[in-house]
Amino acid sequence: AQTVTQSQPEMSVQEAETVTLSCTYDTSENNYYLFWYKQPPSRQMILVIRQEAYKQQNATENRFSVNFQKAAKSFSLKISDSQLGDTAMYFCAFRNNAGNMLTFGGGTRLMVKP
Amino acid sequence: NAGVTQTPKFQVLKTGQSMTLQCAQDMNHNSMYWYRQDPGMGLRLIYYSASEGTTDKGEVPNGYNVSRLNKREFSLRLESAAPSQTSVYFCASSEVGRRGDEQFFGPGTRLTVL
Repeated sequence: AQTVTQSQPEMSVQEAETVTLSCTYDTSENNYYLFWYKQPPSRQMILVIRQEAYKQQNATENRFSVNFQKAAKSFSLKISDSQLGDTAMYFCAFRNNAGNMLTFGGGTRLMVKP
Repeated sequence: NAGVTQTPKFQVLKTGQSMTLQCAQDMNHNSMYWYRQDPGMGLRLIYYSASEGTTDKGEVPNGYNVSRLNKREFSLRLESAAPSQTSVYFCASSEVGRRGDEQFFGPGTRLTVL
């Protein structure tokens, strides 16, 4: 079974600065998918970014980018130019290639301060 | 296009009572899921349905039953509610190969069992 670990329960960052959220996972598979989801106070789960393990290039979506280290089984999320609206819980998630079930980490609560 | 909808939004039950959580999606997705989110934790999969007519257990299925009524609807039933089932329940849907297999989540149902 896969496991996903987020070692930072809470983080804070000043508005306009950059912050990196950590995620590690454990799997014996070679092909899989990794995701970062954002959950604001409204509770809605919103996909931020995804990465296919077979792609060496790190995914980017506007201010959001990942540092995917396959050998180290690490998948960190970098948020540049942080905005107040980025305040939320962030969840890292894993999906294997064969199925479509997601395994989530415990989450990191991010507070962006003005 | 409402995406994924869930009813009710909030529910309070007494121990031993039963109830059904409803979920519907209008994106013509084949796969649907039920997750629970306990305080300070990530989402855990209860049951999923890869396609109409099929259901499978996830990580935490005990105490729950599901029905894939048709392609649009996937319900979760608690036959005899217990305080340990106090949680926020999320329904999600996805289509393999479409938009990168992204799972789209409903707004959640907050359930309290007294």
